[in-house]
Amino acid sequence: SQQGEEDPQALSIQEGENATMNCSYKTSINNLQWYRQNSGRGLVHLILIRSNEREKHSGRLRVTLDTSKKSSSLLITASRAADTASYFCAPTSGSARQLTFGSGTQLTVLP
Amino acid sequence: GAVVSQHPSWVICKSGTSVKIECRSLDFQATTMFWYRQFPKQSLMLMATSNEGSKATYEQGVEKDKFLINHASLTLSTLTVTSAHPEDSSFYICSARDVGDYGYTFGSGTRLTVV
Repeated sequence: SQQGEEDPQALSIQEGENATMNCSYKTSINNLQWYRQNSGRGLVHLILIRSNEREKHSGRLRVTLDTSKKSSSLLITASRAADTASYFCAPTSGSARQLTFGSGTQLTVLP
Repeated sequence: GAVVSQHPSWVICKSGTSVKIECRSLDFQATTMFWYRQFPKQSLMLMATSNEGSKATYEQGVEKDKFLINHASLTLSTLTVTSAHPEDSSFYICSARDVGDYGYTFGSGTRLTVV
């Protein structure tokens, strides 16, 4: 399995603003998943985008995928203090069953 | 949706003792579960893949005699940290995936402190 690399490492915004974080990966994928981790907790699955999809929405989340650039972005609109967390992307490819993770983006939403 | 329960959520133990962490899939069967370790402000490091009814597959650099994994049923995997030392202090997280789901479900993690 391959891991994604999230960028930026840290992001601090005001409540109500939009937050954008990016993910790059190295080899072709079947799908790419985004997860959130609140401090001291496990990861929560946010959204999955398949390799033949370019954009996907879920509530305030919007994910894009550009397979030609091997990159994905996660946009959180109208951010809230409760969105403060670390966000990880997980590209999956081939028959790999396990997920591996990069360093994540630490998002801080200030009230 | 799928739920993974992990216990205990935190544990403090003395050096030299062993600690067992349980990971249960509550509403689905998991032939495979995954164990991760996370240091403060760092990413999750995959330690091993737990396979029901067979031996676990360990990642490079992870001592299998140190971190014993047992996956005796389709809903339970355990990680035992044997002869724990302070450097084993970390956050341990398990995960599993229900058939038909694409996303993985994670336990809430176990904070291990070895004193």
